[in-house]
Amino acid sequence: DADVTQTPRNRITKTGKRIMLECSQTKGHDRMYWYRQDPGLGLRLIYYSFDVKDINKGEISDGYSVSRQAQAKFSLSLESAIPNQTALYFCATSDPGSYGYTFGSGTRLTVV
Amino acid sequence: KQEVTQIPAALSVPEGENLVLNCSFTDSAIYNLQWFRQDPGKGLTSLLLIQSSQREQTSGRLNASLDKSSGRSTLYIAASQPGDSATYLCAVPSGTYKYIFGTGTRLKVLA
Repeated sequence: DADVTQTPRNRITKTGKRIMLECSQTKGHDRMYWYRQDPGLGLRLIYYSFDVKDINKGEISDGYSVSRQAQAKFSLSLESAIPNQTALYFCATSDPGSYGYTFGSGTRLTVV
Repeated sequence: KQEVTQIPAALSVPEGENLVLNCSFTDSAIYNLQWFRQDPGKGLTSLLLIQSSQREQTSGRLNASLDKSSGRSTLYIAASQPGDSATYLCAVPSGTYKYIFGTGTRLKVLA
């Protein structure tokens, strides 16, 4: 099993729909992140969490919300999806001791 | 504000060639730098992490260097192979909680 698992891998949804992207990890890391990747823009941080009770906004949090259900689970929700939220979404965890990042395989989201 | 730039954006080389990918950053007060590999439609895999106290890190045919004073890092790939074809991204920390990523260099190694 992968260290960081994202579901679904691909999703097409309609404008205005609420959608949830899920992430689970077996690394035992407290720190988890959600990034989105757009061509030519690199990866941008949406939300991050340092533990179950600590949730923080990243640089592009508008239109998104998150839930840290457990140390191992961190979900990203799009409250009302819009076409410019079409992107590749990545969940990641990090080890504060080594700063190493582990990424999931990504969720390709298309909003039509 | 930290900015990370990677040049070139794309590179195509024949198999067997040695090559260098470049990464530059504007704020030299970093405590590490990471290089990642991304295969099409897939996640990022960490290749090398260089701490600020180090000048180089090596893993197999990969060698990454870090020069904080000049705001530069290079990733050297020796004897390139078609399997090295991927996008390579560098990332530097911003504060204590996140990394700033470059937009990557898309490498194609021709057989």
